[in-house]
Parts: sequence; structure tokens; C-alpha cells
Amino acid sequence: NAGVMQNPRHLVRRRGQEARLRCSPVKGHSHVYWYRQLPEEGLKFMVYLQKENIIDESGMPKERFSAEFPKEGPSILRIQQVVRGDSAAYFCASSQDRGNEQYFGPGTRLTVT
Amino acid sequence: AQSVTQLDSHVSVSEGTPVLLRCNYSSSYSPSLFWYVQHPNKGLQLLLKYTSAATLVKGINGFEAEFKKSETSFHLTKPSAHMSDAAEYFCVVRRATSGTYKYIFGTGTRLKVLA
Repeated sequence: NAGVMQNPRHLVRRRGQEARLRCSPVKGHSHVYWYRQLPEEGLKFMVYLQKENIIDESGMPKERFSAEFPKEGPSILRIQQVVRGDSAAYFCASSQDRGNEQYFGPGTRLTVT
Repeated sequence: AQSVTQLDSHVSVSEGTPVLLRCNYSSSYSPSLFWYVQHPNKGLQLLLKYTSAATLVKGINGFEAEFKKSETSFHLTKPSAHMSDAAEYFCVVRRATSGTYKYIFGTGTRLKVLA
């Protein structure tokens, strides 16, 4: 019974490149959440998606960041033209329903050089 | 607005002694509260959760937490620390907003266990 899977676990990008982070939710879960953890800080909510829909993106930076959760395949968090300040751990969580407990993946650690 | 405050950024205890990690919450109604643990370079693991049932919640690895409404606290305790408990601990409140739920994380408490 696989939990939330994220890949890659570590990602290094140069400034100006694009970063793509993938999240496969727990089997049967159709709700996905992305969080960002900056060094020495707690996790901050970024976006909440259901299949093919963005429900709440109030935590997403206005530019360069986008997220999707297609009908088939994993959820993708895309960061265009990365800057040093994007270096962080990005966690994905999934839940079976809106009110249910969220299960977290192991995270993707993005380093921008 | 709901939020959590973790009162200590770092806590050091000796192996075999009790652990107390403090968390205060603010909420206009009875909240759902969680404690998560994060080991170095690892993901988050749920330790325990409070969802308006019993006020004393038992979790994994010998941890427990008590919900005290009068003190707006949800402190995490363990009678005897083990070396493997060294990690970062996050207190979390779940906030309902516009038909969805967001997890609001505290800033974390780093627990160090001394031999």
C-alpha cells in the first residue's frame, strides 16, 4: 500500500531554468495539496487541487509558479525561471476527501545554484 | 484566524528523561490539532491528532498530547526520551476555509537528545 510518492527527491537547477516536481497521491485519493518549507521554517500551504481543478491557490506566488493535477498521472508543481529564493523543500500531501487527514510525501528538495 | 505557536525553537533533554514540547493555538471554535515529526531530510510523519474526542490523545512511539481548552494548549509529551526521538516536531492546526481545509504549521521545535 504505497503512500504519497514524490520525485525527484533532490533537484538542482541553475537560475533561470525550469523545475518540475511530481507527486503521486495515495491510491484512491483525489485531493492533492502542495506545501513549501523554507530553511528553518514550518511548512506553508501553496495550493489545493482536485482532479483537473485548482480549488485554492491562495498560497501560490503570483508569478512563475503553476500546478496541475490531470485526470491521469501525477500532480505537477512547475516553477519557471527559478531564482535562489526558490530553494526549499516542497511537500505534497493527499487526502481521500476534503475533510480527511492529509498524508504527506517525503518531499522534493530543490536547490537553485 | 487559526494559528499555532510553538513556544520553543530548540529543546534539549537527556536520554531517559521526560520530553515536553509546547504548543498554543488560537481558534474561534474547537480546532483539529496534530503533531508531526520530521527526521533529518525525511518527510513528515503523523504522531497524533485531536479531533474533539478524548482530550488526552495517545500517539505513536510513546508520545501523547493533552488538549486544554482553558489554556488553549496542545503540548506534546513523552515520559522517557530515546536517542531516536531527535528530530523536528511541528504542531499543526487544521483550518476550514471556503469548503476546503488547510493545515497551518507552527515554526517547529528541534528536539535534541543527549546521551
